[in-house]
Amino acid sequence: GAGVSQSPRYKVAKRGQDVALRCDPISGHVSLFWYQQALGQGPEFLTYFQNEAQLDKSGLPSDRFFAERPEGSVSTLKIQRTQQEDSAVYLCASSPGHRDIGYTFGSGTRLTVV
Amino acid sequence: AQTVTQSQPEMSVQEAETVTLSCTYDTSESDYYLFWYKQPPSRQMILVIRQEAYKQQNATENRFSVNFQKAAKSFSLKISDSQLGDAAMYFCAYRYRNAGGTSYGKLTFGQGTILTVHP
Repeated sequence: GAGVSQSPRYKVAKRGQDVALRCDPISGHVSLFWYQQALGQGPEFLTYFQNEAQLDKSGLPSDRFFAERPEGSVSTLKIQRTQQEDSAVYLCASSPGHRDIGYTFGSGTRLTVV
Repeated sequence: AQTVTQSQPEMSVQEAETVTLSCTYDTSESDYYLFWYKQPPSRQMILVIRQEAYKQQNATENRFSVNFQKAAKSFSLKISDSQLGDAAMYFCAYRYRNAGGTSYGKLTFGQGTILTVHP
């Protein structure tokens, strides 16, 4: 597609519920990043994929967070047993290659845990 | 670990005037990139300008320019002839140049500065 598409745009989850956030990167982009942006803060790195390989998951805050990109295109960020501190905007970004600095960001998913 | 600090939570400017947003960073690396991103209410991060650390010349993109002071680890953004459409949250970001190894080109962001433009 023309840009990075994320869905849903908004998600309200009850505490303890599992959620899945989707990212559709630009077709052919090798690199895919997930970031977490708390209200009024800068984004923080969660995880990185190069094609289907998850090469860095050092930013995932707990084992309740899981990400996958099985075919090297669409990626899903899953959060199990959501807690209030998981409320944030989750941004996805992609770039053509792992050395490329031309990142394209999606508009994010705003997750609110009540 | 790299850190990026934006010490101005909020700034305001009159339309057509000039404003400067501040950013400092800390790194032990010598080769890296610095970026300024704009985030409007739509939430999509939009690249404003970038600077390669090995280049001494300050980057310029139309009304946007930077003052890159490598020794001081300072990277400020100057917006000239401010327009109403410039109102947004602005983020300074750092990326290690060598995207191999363990960095994978991930960005480290500052806390952001909200810019208000008054007509």
